This record gives sequence, C-alpha cells and structure tokens, in this order.
Amino acid sequence: EAGVTQFPSHSVIEKGQTVTLRCDPISGHDNLYWYRRVMGKEIKFLLHFVKESKQDESGMPNNRFLAERTGGTYSTLKVQPAELEDSGVYFCASSQDAGSYEQYFGPGTRLTVT
Amino acid sequence: AQSVTQLGSHVSVSEGALVLLRCNYSSSVPPYLFWYVQYPNQGLQLLLKYTTGATLVKGINGFEAEFKKSETSFHLTKPSAHMSDAAEYFCASSEAYSGGGADGLTFGKGTHLIIQP
Repeated sequence: EAGVTQFPSHSVIEKGQTVTLRCDPISGHDNLYWYRRVMGKEIKFLLHFVKESKQDESGMPNNRFLAERTGGTYSTLKVQPAELEDSGVYFCASSQDAGSYEQYFGPGTRLTVT
Repeated sequence: AQSVTQLGSHVSVSEGALVLLRCNYSSSVPPYLFWYVQYPNQGLQLLLKYTTGATLVKGINGFEAEFKKSETSFHLTKPSAHMSDAAEYFCASSEAYSGGGADGLTFGKGTHLIIQP
C-alpha cells in the first residue's frame, strides 16, 4: 500500500509568487490534514478535510492560503502571494474514517520564500 | 484549548541507557495522545498512541508510554537506547470531533534524542 505522498519535495520561490503544494493521501482515507512547521517552532495544524469538505480550517494563517480537495481524493494547498514568513515544511497526513485516530504523514514539502 | 509541553529540546543518553522523554498535556476533555518520530529527511512515523483503555501502551522499536491522568503526562520510555534511536520525537494530542474521528493534532516542540556511543 502506497503511503502519503507530497509534491514537490522542495520549492524555492520569490516573495510575491504563487506556489501550489499537492498531497495524495493513502487510498480510501477520508480524512486529510495539513500541517506546517516553521523553523524553530512546533508543528502547527492548518486544516482538516473529511472527504471533500473542510471540517476545520481554524489553523489557516490568513486568506493567502487556499486549500482544496478535489472529489475527496488529493488535496492542494496554494499560497498566493507568498511571503517570507511562509517558509517552512508543510506536512500532509491522512486517516481512514470516523473512529480512526492514527494519522499517517507524508515526507513534507520544504518551502523557501526568498 | 489543547497544549502539549515537551521538556528538553535535546536529550542525550548513552547507548544502552534508559531513554525518558517527557510530555505533559493540557486538555479540557480526555485527549488522544501520540508519540511520533522523525528521522532525518523523512516524514513523521507513529510510535504509539493512547485513545482509551490500558494506560500503558507499547509501540514500535521497544518504546512504551504511560498515560497518567493525575499528572497530565504521557512520557515516552525505552529501557535500552540504540544508536538507531537518534531522531526527533514529537508528543501530540487531539480530541474527537463531531464526526467521531480525531481532529487535528496539537504538537509539542519536539525533542532531539542524541545517543552517545
């Protein structure tokens, strides 16, 4: 069984540009989560999808961040326009269904905004 | 609001010695508690979890943790450290959401475990 995959593994962009991160959860997993770790800080929750619906987006920093989950499968996280403080590692995780508590994490996307 | 505190950003132990990584949580409802490990250039891997039932939980690679409600703690231990245990360890908590599953995780700041030969 394939694990959670994320693309790209690294991205370097200039301030003001747009970047789109992609996450493919484990097949059949209804729950998809996005997290971010800024250098030197703890991993922070961004949002939670259940299938294609946003269950909780309380962690999204501001309206420059837009997350979507097409048809309840893969998800994208777009940052537009990117700012220096958006640099960090963005993790995606998935879990199976209601009653599942184990989240399986992808390897992360390292975003550097210069 | 939940919070997770990990004592010590770096913990150094000798190979073969006891590993103890401390985690305290704060939650208004009974939490679900987790320990994750991240090896260099890899994603987070679940070591063990506590949801309900037995308070002493065993995980992979010989690790275990005990949920102590009275102390609001969930410390991670391993009787004998191995060089391959060198990694960053994260304690995390979550709560149930209305759909029955778990909400997003609240993480501690992480502890780097250093193993001295």
